[in-house]
Amino acid sequence: GAGVSQSPSNKVTEKGKDVELRCDPISGHTALYWYRQSLGQGLEFLIYFQGNSAPDKSGLPSDRFSAERTGGSVSTLTIQRTQQEDSAVYLCASSFNRGTYEQYFGPGTRLTVT
Amino acid sequence: AQSVTQLDSQVPVFEEAPVELRCNYSSSVSVYLFWYVQYPNQGLQLLLKYLSGSTLVKGINGFEAEFNKSQTSFHLRKPSVHISDTAEYFCAVRNPQGAQKLVFGQGTRLTINP
Repeated sequence: GAGVSQSPSNKVTEKGKDVELRCDPISGHTALYWYRQSLGQGLEFLIYFQGNSAPDKSGLPSDRFSAERTGGSVSTLTIQRTQQEDSAVYLCASSFNRGTYEQYFGPGTRLTVT
Repeated sequence: AQSVTQLDSQVPVFEEAPVELRCNYSSSVSVYLFWYVQYPNQGLQLLLKYLSGSTLVKGINGFEAEFNKSQTSFHLRKPSVHISDTAEYFCAVRNPQGAQKLVFGQGTRLTINP
């Protein structure tokens, strides 16, 4: 079946511009996660959505980062006024409800800020 | 809070040799433990997980890991590696009760030489 998809696969933007990254989770998965993978920081948690509950935003590095999930499915991660340190691979994952269910990862979006 | 330490950033081995990738974790509560593999330009794929029960866990592609609570370790092993095992391997922990986020180690790059 279809896995987690992310778009675009690559994004190059100029410093100061806003970017939007999209994630389509696996159908039926109620939980959705965003992680960031960078050379300096490794793999870091950013934000978690579970059903209609308030998202866990504890990993967002600054108020320039925000995310939303519409209709309990597709999610968009927005970075405003991008900085060079935002350059990284942004990974999305989804899973069934809480508990032991495995997180399935998408291929990621590689963001380069010039 | 949890943390994960992967003791080796790079591990080179010859094809058909055994390999062990080391992972130690720190947590004040019980944890779930995971190993993920990342092939070049791809997302993360789950190799195996420890949730409870038997401390020896078998995963895909011939990998296994052993949970050692007293040493807070979860080392990954394979008795005979193949060229196709060349990838980056990540150890991760998760709190079963609280936040659903995965906390990752820094990764170990496994290189298989012919």
